[in-house]
Amino acid sequence: DQQVKQNSPSLSVQEGRISILNCDYTNSMFDYFLWYKKYPAEGPTFLISISSIKDKNEDGRFTVFLNKSAKHLSLHIVPSQPGDSAVYFCAATRPGGSEKLVFGKGMKLTVNP
Amino acid sequence: SQTIHQWPATLVQPVGSPLSLECTVEGTSNPNLYWYRQAAGRGLQLLFYSVGIGQISSEVPQNLSASRPQDRQFILSSKKLLLSDSGFYLCAWSEPRTYQPQHFGDGTRLSIL
Repeated sequence: DQQVKQNSPSLSVQEGRISILNCDYTNSMFDYFLWYKKYPAEGPTFLISISSIKDKNEDGRFTVFLNKSAKHLSLHIVPSQPGDSAVYFCAATRPGGSEKLVFGKGMKLTVNP
Repeated sequence: SQTIHQWPATLVQPVGSPLSLECTVEGTSNPNLYWYRQAAGRGLQLLFYSVGIGQISSEVPQNLSASRPQDRQFILSSKKLLLSDSGFYLCAWSEPRTYQPQHFGDGTRLSIL
């Protein structure tokens, strides 16, 4: 049973446009959500997070939106840059879970110059 | 600042041989430590986590074991490797508080022949 789902395996956008990466979750106990970026042969790098008491968190070009009723979150990157090309993972955790993260399978973003 | 070191970067081992992967964290005390595996085309699967010296929790039954002999050292081991143990192994740490992101090492690419 996959508790965190990234249903689209890939996304291709033009440089300067917006990239929207989606993530759905099934466990209503999750209350902290994170996005990671991963280049080949490297470990994931933390990008941005959001707790369930918020519906939006912004950090520079990156904004994460959380819709608790729909159990859905999204990552917006604007403007997209070629260096943003990577695999993006959505992750979630619940209180009392020793901060164990449950990851989605990832989505490959390609930003074309 | 905190850093995480993981080695080796790549490893080729024959079936049935032992394994020892090491991870160390610097610049923090009493971190939570984690071992993940990313199989080809799949997301990150949590294998083990530790909240303190000698405290190991296993997430999935497998051919692997973990140990934490020192506060900032986490070791992944196997007595006899299987072909199915191939993958990309990642160590991560987080502050021992809620709502803290995990930070990953650069990973070890393990190939079993």
